[in-house]
Amino acid sequence: KAGVTQTPRYLIKTRGQQVTLSCSPISGHRSVSWYQQTPGQGLQFLFEYFSETQRNKGNFPGRFSGRQFSNSRSEMNVSTLELGDSALYLCASNPSGANVLTFGAGSRLTVL
Amino acid sequence: QQQVKQSPQSLIVQKGGISIINCAYENTAFDYFPWYQQFPGKGPALLIAIRPDVSEKKEGRFTISFNKSAKQFSLHIMDSQPGDSATYFCAARGGTSGSRLTFGEGTQLTVNP
Repeated sequence: KAGVTQTPRYLIKTRGQQVTLSCSPISGHRSVSWYQQTPGQGLQFLFEYFSETQRNKGNFPGRFSGRQFSNSRSEMNVSTLELGDSALYLCASNPSGANVLTFGAGSRLTVL
Repeated sequence: QQQVKQSPQSLIVQKGGISIINCAYENTAFDYFPWYQQFPGKGPALLIAIRPDVSEKKEGRFTISFNKSAKQFSLHIMDSQPGDSATYFCAARGGTSGSRLTFGEGTQLTVNP
């Protein structure tokens, strides 16, 4: 059974640009969550999607957005990138009503 | 009130020793407490989890101890091995927050051979 797949794994952007990250959840998982991981702030919740609807949102500015498609795949977008957006962005999926989050390997974003 | 405090930040243990990582929380609505293990270049992986209606859960060499009245829980790794060297995160989930997890700051564990 394939795990959570995140693409791209690594990317470098410059300030002011935007970026789109993709996440394919485990087959059958309808819930997808996104987290930002940095050395200073640790793991911070960004948002959660279930059946194409945003169910929960963390305390991030509006530059951070996401969406989920009918096949449960999810994307997150960060516009007008700032240096502080450099982080590992993790996607996690879980079956409906279950507690167990399975994380992908993450997308490492570097903003120069 | 949503924070989860984790200590120590780093831990060095000899092979065969016991590793203990502690976490404390404030939000009494939290109803699920998982521990995640993360190796470099990988995403966090669920290690073991507990609900507040039990005081201890053991899976192999890993044990969670839970003290509801003190709002604290801890991870014990018995017979620690060099392969256990990783970063460990405690987390908590609130009853109405969907799958949202609030994570502790992480503990970098090094097990020396």
